[in-house]
Amino acid sequence: QVQLVESGGGLVKPGGSLRLSCAASGFTFSDYYMSWIRQAPGKGLEWVSYISSSGSTIYYADSVKGRFTISRDNAKNSLYLQMNSLRAEDTAVYYCARPSSSGWGLGYWGQGTLVTVSS
Amino acid sequence: EIVMTQSPATLSLSPGERATLSCRASQSVSSSYLSWYQQKPGQAPRLLIYGASTRATGIPARFSGSGSGTDFTLTISSLQPEDFAVYYCQQDYNLPPTFGQGTKVEIK
Repeated sequence: QVQLVESGGGLVKPGGSLRLSCAASGFTFSDYYMSWIRQAPGKGLEWVSYISSSGSTIYYADSVKGRFTISRDNAKNSLYLQMNSLRAEDTAVYYCARPSSSGWGLGYWGQGTLVTVSS
Repeated sequence: EIVMTQSPATLSLSPGERATLSCRASQSVSSSYLSWYQQKPGQAPRLLIYGASTRATGIPARFSGSGSGTDFTLTISSLQPEDFAVYYCQQDYNLPPTFGQGTKVEIK
C-alpha cells in the first residue's frame, strides 16, 4: 500500500533552517510528481512546491521562492524540502502528497510534520 | 493566481440532511483540474472528487461533484456522522495550485 512518511519537523528560531524528508513506499516513486502542501495552525491548505518525476521541473509558491528548495532522490524513494531563512509565518504542518493513480488530484498524503518557527 | 472562494464558511446540518457546498473560481478552470478534499481534525486531507465530478477510489456514492467554468459544487446527499468535517476545493489548472478557504460541515 502507498505510504508517505514525513520527518524532520521541529522548533527552529527565525532565520534558521530545517530539512524535511518524505519517505515513500508501496509504489514506483520515480513514476510520480510530488508536492509539498502546508497548513498553518487553524488555517487552510497552502500549496508550497512541486517537483516532476525526474526532478527536472520545479515550481514554488511565491511565499517560499528563494528560501525553500525541493529535491528528490529516486534511488532512495525520498522527497525533501530544504527550508532556509525561516519566518514565523512558515509555522505549519507540512504534508508531502502524491497524485492519485488516475493522475488527477492529490490522492495520497503523508501524516504531516509540524514546523514551528519561534524565538 | 486563481482565487478559489468557498461558501458558506460553515454549514450546520443534521445527519441525514443534504449538504451543498459551493466553490467559485476567480477565472475559468478546466473541470479536469478541479478537486475536492475532506479533512478531519488531526488528519491529512483525503481526496474525494477529481475532474470536478469523478469520485476517488473508495469514496461513497453519496458524494457527488458538479460544475464547470467558474462554479463548482460538492453535494453530500445524506450526511452520515463521519461526514462532519472541513471540505476544500482546489484547482491546479494554473500555477500556483490554489485551495479554497474551506467549508466546515458541523452537526446542528
